[in-house]
Order: sequence, then C-alpha cells, then structure tokens
Amino acid sequence: DQQVKQNSPSLSVQEGRISILNCDYTNSMFDYFLWYKKYPAEGPTFLISISSIKDKNEDGRFTVFLNKSAKHLSLHIVPSQPGDSAVYFCAASLYTGNQFYFGTGTSLTVIP
Amino acid sequence: DVKVTQSSRYLVKRTGEKVFLECVQDMDHENMFWYRQDPGLGLRLIYFSYDVKMKEKGDIPEGYSVSREKKERFSLILESASTNQTSMYLCAGRSGLDGEQFFGPGTRLTVL
Repeated sequence: DQQVKQNSPSLSVQEGRISILNCDYTNSMFDYFLWYKKYPAEGPTFLISISSIKDKNEDGRFTVFLNKSAKHLSLHIVPSQPGDSAVYFCAASLYTGNQFYFGTGTSLTVIP
Repeated sequence: DVKVTQSSRYLVKRTGEKVFLECVQDMDHENMFWYRQDPGLGLRLIYFSYDVKMKEKGDIPEGYSVSREKKERFSLILESASTNQTSMYLCAGRSGLDGEQFFGPGTRLTVL
C-alpha cells in the first residue's frame, strides 16, 4: 500500500516560471518529509526537507510547504531553470524511524 | 563530501545466476539501505541495516538477501536471479536517525 503518493507522473514548465510538485501521504504519524532530485543514471540527491513542526522551509529557489491537516506537501521551484529537469521524489518518515517511504516520482521538464 | 559507491554501474546476468551488488560508504553511517527503482513504482525498500551483522526486511525482500560484515560495506545478494529483478538498484547510507539518506549512483541490473 503506497503511503506516499505523487499523482502527477510528469510536469512541463517554461523556463523562468514556477514549478509546483505535489505529494500526498496517508500516515498521519509521519513527521519528517524530504524531496530528492534524480537525473537519469544517477542516484537521487537530497534537495530540501521539512519537519512537521514547520509549515514552510525555504532554500534558495526551492521552498517546501507542508499542510498537515490535508496530509499534503508541495515543492515550489522559482524561477525554474532547464537544469532543474529531473525526476523529483518526495519521501516521508517518522522522525525517530529509519525507513523512508518514497513516492512514485514526478518527471519535471523545464522548457527553455 | 559524503561518498556512497556501488561496485558496478551496469550489470547483465542470466536467469538463475547468483548476483552480488556491493555498496561501500566512507562516512561512518550506522544505517545502510538497498532500494530498487522501477518506472511508476518509485523507490521501494528491499532491506536495511542499522549495524554490523544486523538487518531488517523492507517492503519487498522476497528473492533477496543482504550481508553486512563491516560497517562500511553492505551487500545485496540475488540468490537466483530472475527476469523480474531487472531494475535499477540504489544503495543509501544515513547517520543516526537525523537527516537525509545519501545515495550511491545506482546499478542498472538486467537479467536475461
């Protein structure tokens, strides 16, 4: 049973515009959330995280928003750049747990 | 810089062969993980280890085993490879229960 879901397999955005990637989860006990970026033939690289005590975390062009009541998080990339084209995975865990639960990924294409 | 390395980037094996995938990390991670990534399914956890000689099953352990004789090395073993084990295999390490997992570059395994 998929506890973390990314319902959009793909997204295309014009360079310079905002990219919004969405993620939903079912387990209300999750309290730590992360976004990873993956290029083809490479391992995922960590992008940004947020704990459940916050509703927003920002790092440069990347902002993650968490809505605990809706069990929803989103990643905003502003402005989008062609180098951002990759597959983005969201992941969730219990803060004291070892296992990360990953979504199925969203393939972002930023069009120059 | 954190380094997680995997012994092969690409591997082709025949059905029924025993396959070893090796992962080495140089950051003294207590925890190490093996995932497989398949289109539309995201990253699924096969096994993880939180200490030398310790292992825990993930979500899809069937057909796999693991070995962790030294802290820096975590091996994934396919006892008798089958075509449905054709996949991208990703190893990750993590220190303690705080922060992200660091991934290796992945091994693309094809079983013919």
